[in-house]
Amino acid sequence: GAVVSQHPSWVICKSGTSVKIECRSLDFQATTMFWYRQFPKQSLMLMATSNEGSKATYEQGVEKDKFLINHASLTLSTLTVTSAHPEDSSFYICSASRTGTGTFGSGTRLTVV
Amino acid sequence: GQQVMQIPQYQHVQEGEDFTTYCNSSTTLSNIQWYKQRPGGHPVFLIQLVKSGEVKKQKRLTFQFGEAKKNSSLHITATQTTDVGTYFCAGGNTGGFKTIFGAGTRLFVKA
Repeated sequence: GAVVSQHPSWVICKSGTSVKIECRSLDFQATTMFWYRQFPKQSLMLMATSNEGSKATYEQGVEKDKFLINHASLTLSTLTVTSAHPEDSSFYICSASRTGTGTFGSGTRLTVV
Repeated sequence: GQQVMQIPQYQHVQEGEDFTTYCNSSTTLSNIQWYKQRPGGHPVFLIQLVKSGEVKKQKRLTFQFGEAKKNSSLHITATQTTDVGTYFCAGGNTGGFKTIFGAGTRLFVKA
């Protein structure tokens, strides 16, 4: 079946630094990748949708200059949280899609101190 | 914009009791997906419904997609402690792969 690897699984960083999260589809080519954020005990909020080779489409209220998304290949997308602040602490999770039904990565728990 | 509402927010059941969570969309969906997320884990895909009025079963789980493709339900018969977790519905819109998640229903099962 489809496997999506997300790295790192957790990261602690200092306020003001940047953090890069990788999402890889291991056994299929993902034409579309989604990035979600999930706060404790809340639902998954779609942040952005990215298609390989084109700019990501951000949801309303998501700062594109703060959450940089790169989808350079059909198997890799990255999310970079720039100048992270404590309020950015959350669970970030990607989903890679080939035909419409996405497969989720295992998520990254970001803690900004 | 498109909204997907899910109820109840949480439910406590005794092991062996049935459980149902409901999902309603403000717009017609192209498909609806259901996921289960265990505490501390990531969402795990359960099923996707595409056709109007579709009903699918997975052992004790029954999934329904409404005739108007705007609502869906997940019913668990005779819950077990292993059913504990949060169940999310996610609606896909027409013309693309964008998927909007419901708020989730957290199921607690008491042995």
